[in-house]
Amino acid sequence: SQQGEEDPQALSIQEGENATMNCSYKTSINNLQWYRQNSGRGLVHLILIRSNEREKHSGRLRVTLDTSKKSSSLLITASRAADTASYFCATDAGVQGAQKLVFGQGTRLTINP
Amino acid sequence: KAGVTQTPRYLIKTRGQQVTLSCSPISGHRSVSWYQQTPGQGLQFLFEYFSETQRNKGNFPGRFSGRQFSNSRSEMNVSTLELGDSALYLCASSLTTGVHIQYFGAGTRLSVL
Repeated sequence: SQQGEEDPQALSIQEGENATMNCSYKTSINNLQWYRQNSGRGLVHLILIRSNEREKHSGRLRVTLDTSKKSSSLLITASRAADTASYFCATDAGVQGAQKLVFGQGTRLTINP
Repeated sequence: KAGVTQTPRYLIKTRGQQVTLSCSPISGHRSVSWYQQTPGQGLQFLFEYFSETQRNKGNFPGRFSGRQFSNSRSEMNVSTLELGDSALYLCASSLTTGVHIQYFGAGTRLSVL
């Protein structure tokens, strides 16, 4: 079963606009990660936010985490065609010491030129 | 540094056969995890190996097995293939066990006919 649920499932915007994706999870976590996947390829790590952090930035990416609501959001600013991909949140599901990431179903982002 | 290498990239098998997939982690990485990705179930954790020991296992039948060698390379095996085993199988490596950033290979796409 999936720990994370992403919303929306698909998002289509114009190049230059901002894209926001949300992730909700069910159990307590130690940290939450966001990954990107280009069509049918492997995943690329974007950002990790720990449970005691509320916001983190990396370039055009901004991630927020609200542990009281068990939710996170990923904001991509000034989108580019190359940002077209699927985006997944992944949590450690609170399993101490075990390398088990539980992924959401993902948001498919399309950037239109 | 070379990334995570998975071989083969594509595989076609028939029901009842068995298959072995290979993963070479990033040099120096000692933890290898395997995931199955399907359109219906999304990304699901199969198992993690660290120092040649299985550290964690997902909810998959015993037909799915794996191992890790002393050089950290890993293989996963699926016996008695079923149509539902058709998927993209992703391998990820990280420096050590525990929840860390994972680096993914491009995957092996398995089609079972």
